[in-house]
Amino acid sequence: DAGVTQTPRHEVAEKGQTIILKCEPVSGHNDLFWYRQTKIQGLELLSYFRSKSLMEDGGAFKDRFKAEMLNSSFSTLKIQPTEPKDSAVYLCASSAGGNTLYFGEGSRLIVV
Amino acid sequence: GQQVQQSPTSLVLQEGENAELQCNFSTSLNSMQWFYQRPGGSLVSVFYNPSGTKQSGRLTSTTVIKERRSSLHISSSQITDSGTYLCAMERAGGYKVVFGSGTRLLVSP
Repeated sequence: DAGVTQTPRHEVAEKGQTIILKCEPVSGHNDLFWYRQTKIQGLELLSYFRSKSLMEDGGAFKDRFKAEMLNSSFSTLKIQPTEPKDSAVYLCASSAGGNTLYFGEGSRLIVV
Repeated sequence: GQQVQQSPTSLVLQEGENAELQCNFSTSLNSMQWFYQRPGGSLVSVFYNPSGTKQSGRLTSTTVIKERRSSLHISSSQITDSGTYLCAMERAGGYKVVFGSGTRLLVSP
């Protein structure tokens, strides 16, 4: 039974680069979330999709962060251009709507 | 302000002691969940607890929606319980999930 799959697991980018992180939710789940986790800020919501529609774009993260969900089984998070302060673990999660949230292993991004 | 407040922020126990973790919410919520995260690991759901009390082994979660609070009780703690426990709420009016800052638990021999 496949859980949430995230790629890449690790990424090192130079400042100014464009990074695309990928997520495959649990099959059949309608809700998909992108979070950023840092030691200082904890978990911050970046985007939230319901049935592929963007419901929440993360407010302060609109500027350089763009999440898309072109089909129900695949989502991407683009960061353009990257900055050192974007270094964090990016977590994708999915749920069947109003139910348990399942997380992927995360993508650890380091921007130098 | 912070919508989800957890306490304590950190806790050190000796093996065998009990722990009580608290979560308070500043807005109306549909439901809440507790998660566990090992250092460097991802989040694993411990309880999805809309209301009332749920138990799984040595863990017990109690949620009182009207009072906007939830607790996680760990009995007879073990070294392997060490990690961070996070609570999260589903805001009323939708399924947006907002997290607290977590409680870092260290259980020593």
